[in-house]
Amino acid sequence: QQQVKQSPQSLIVQKGGISIINCAYENTAFDYFPWYQQFPGKGPALLIAIRPDVSEKKEGRFTISFNKSAKQFSLHIMDSQPGDSATYFCAATSSGGSNYKLTFGKGTLLTVNP
Amino acid sequence: DGGITQSPKYLFRKEGQNVTLSCEQNLNHDAMYWYRQDPGQGLRLIYYSQIVNDFQKGDIAEGYSVSREKKESFPLTVTSAQKNPTAFYLCASSIGGGGEQYFGPGTRLTVT
Repeated sequence: QQQVKQSPQSLIVQKGGISIINCAYENTAFDYFPWYQQFPGKGPALLIAIRPDVSEKKEGRFTISFNKSAKQFSLHIMDSQPGDSATYFCAATSSGGSNYKLTFGKGTLLTVNP
Repeated sequence: DGGITQSPKYLFRKEGQNVTLSCEQNLNHDAMYWYRQDPGQGLRLIYYSQIVNDFQKGDIAEGYSVSREKKESFPLTVTSAQKNPTAFYLCASSIGGGGEQYFGPGTRLTVT
């Protein structure tokens, strides 16, 4: 029940295209869903996050869509650029003050071809 | 600059030796974490600490030990009991629970 399933494992997109990465969770107590971006040899960096009181959040070219009833959320990268090539991780947690664990998906390796 | 530092970036050890990885943060965060990253495995939690002088096991604590004597520091020792220690180790911190975690640059440990 603690799993977050992420797909696809890898994704190749042409420059200017839309990249879509999907995640599904089971634990209904999860109420905070961040996405992290990781470049090779670096630590993950927080990209964007959403709470279930909204169905969509947009920051620049990055959008999270959230479907509470389906227990799914996805990251859309519009106008994908070669500089977006990285590994993306979704994660989930319950934001109750005593919970300190983030449950991560296994990652999606995105390659944007020029 | 505020952030998390991990040292060294690369670390090489012989099998059977204990090794300690450093993690320091100047973000004034109460909570700190250690993760292990292997190809295709995502990030797996080793230990976390909510506050100074307190820490809890994560999902894969066997073969590891930690201490939290100062708010800024959370060193991780990889002991000889860890059967597959070669991995990329990431330290993170957060203000409290249930929210954003911020990661350091990582230490790549190779044990031969």
